[in-house]
Amino acid sequence: DTGVSQDPRHKITKRGQNVTFRCDPISEHNRLYWYRQTLGQGPEFLTYFQNEAQLEKSRLLSDRFSAERPKGSFSTLEIQRTEQGDSAMYLCASSPITSAYNEQFFGPGTRLTVL
Amino acid sequence: EDQVTQSPEALRLQEGESSSLNCSYTVSGLRGLFWYRQDPGKGPEFLFTLYSAGEEKEKERLKATLTKKESFLHITAPKPEDSATYLCAVRSNAGNNRKLIWGLGTSLAVNP
Repeated sequence: DTGVSQDPRHKITKRGQNVTFRCDPISEHNRLYWYRQTLGQGPEFLTYFQNEAQLEKSRLLSDRFSAERPKGSFSTLEIQRTEQGDSAMYLCASSPITSAYNEQFFGPGTRLTVL
Repeated sequence: EDQVTQSPEALRLQEGESSSLNCSYTVSGLRGLFWYRQDPGKGPEFLFTLYSAGEEKEKERLKATLTKKESFLHITAPKPEDSATYLCAVRSNAGNNRKLIWGLGTSLAVNP
């Protein structure tokens, strides 16, 4: 499968614990995005990488959230001291640098439940 | 402020009953309008990109059209497997912004 992959697919954690999610983009895509989606809502932008550089970060993203893409390939999203309000689907998407219009291709998502 | 509004919120059709979904947008210069399909518990699946007013794109039973203020996703003779949430997103050409602005989606149910 050459699509975007995310791991784990599901994560259940207790409030206050830290969690880390991984995203592997389509191999030739150098742009990578993280979104959060709750039921009945569209995806909410969190952050964007071009290669290893984090170029944009949502103002909605608190200091508890951090993302990295150290070698410009896979990316990780860490949430520290999780809260029940962090429960959501976390989506990763990638797009190629050759796309002038920025079509983004999504992974299957990681469903986070904070108890 | 850039905004995307989709209607209706939910739509129930009988198999074979054609209909249209609407995506109205306000954006400071449209760089692209995107349609996605999302099945429950999965990530959005890319369907179409539209770039300029008057453009149309087709894929199987789906046809997307674009005007200066809105886009329509026409579904011809739908089948139960077309049941999903259809999401619309836009990108503005302001600066180097690559963020997509999303609507809330239309939940489509097609009954056999």
